[in-house]
Amino acid sequence: AQTVTQSQPEMSVQEAETVTLSCTYDTSESDYYLFWYKQPPSRQMILVIRQEAYKQQNATENRFSVNFQKAAKSFSLKISDSQLGDAAMYFCAYRSPAGGGADGLTFGKGTHLIIQP
Amino acid sequence: DTAVSQTPKYLVTQMGNDKSIKCEQNLGHDTMYWYKQDSKKFLKIMFSYNNKELIINETVPNRFSPKSPDKAHLNLHINSLELGDSAVYFCASSQLAGIHNEQFFGPGTRLTVL
Repeated sequence: AQTVTQSQPEMSVQEAETVTLSCTYDTSESDYYLFWYKQPPSRQMILVIRQEAYKQQNATENRFSVNFQKAAKSFSLKISDSQLGDAAMYFCAYRSPAGGGADGLTFGKGTHLIIQP
Repeated sequence: DTAVSQTPKYLVTQMGNDKSIKCEQNLGHDTMYWYKQDSKKFLKIMFSYNNKELIINETVPNRFSPKSPDKAHLNLHINSLELGDSAVYFCASSQLAGIHNEQFFGPGTRLTVL
């Protein structure tokens, strides 16, 4: 079974600064998908960014980018120019290709990101 | 325009009762899921349902049962509610044949068992 570890229960960053959230995972599969989801106080789960394991290029979405290190099984999220609206819980998630992903996502325990004005 | 909707958003009930949470998706997806988020915010898959095939997380008590009247709906029935069932329950959907297989989540249902 796959596991996802987020070692930072909480992170704090000044507005406009850059912050990196860590995520490591354990798997014996070679092809899989990785995601970062954001959960603001409204509790809605919002997809931030995704990465296919077969792609070497790191995914980017505006101010959000990842550092995907497949050999190290690491998938960190970098948020540039942090904004107050970025304050939320961030979850790293793994999706196995087995069964087409029908077995759902495996989540890490989350990192609570605080933005200091 | 809501992609994945859940009702109710809040549910307060007594121990021992039976309750249901409804989920509907209008995205035309072929797979739906239920997740449980506990008081420590940990999210765990409970069920996935695809083309009448049900995949159950082995840790889910059999008091929990998903029911799918059609491809757009996956309701969650819970019998004999216990205090430990208090959590936020999320429904999600995805298209397995899609390139990214992104899961779209509903707004969640906060269940409180007294």
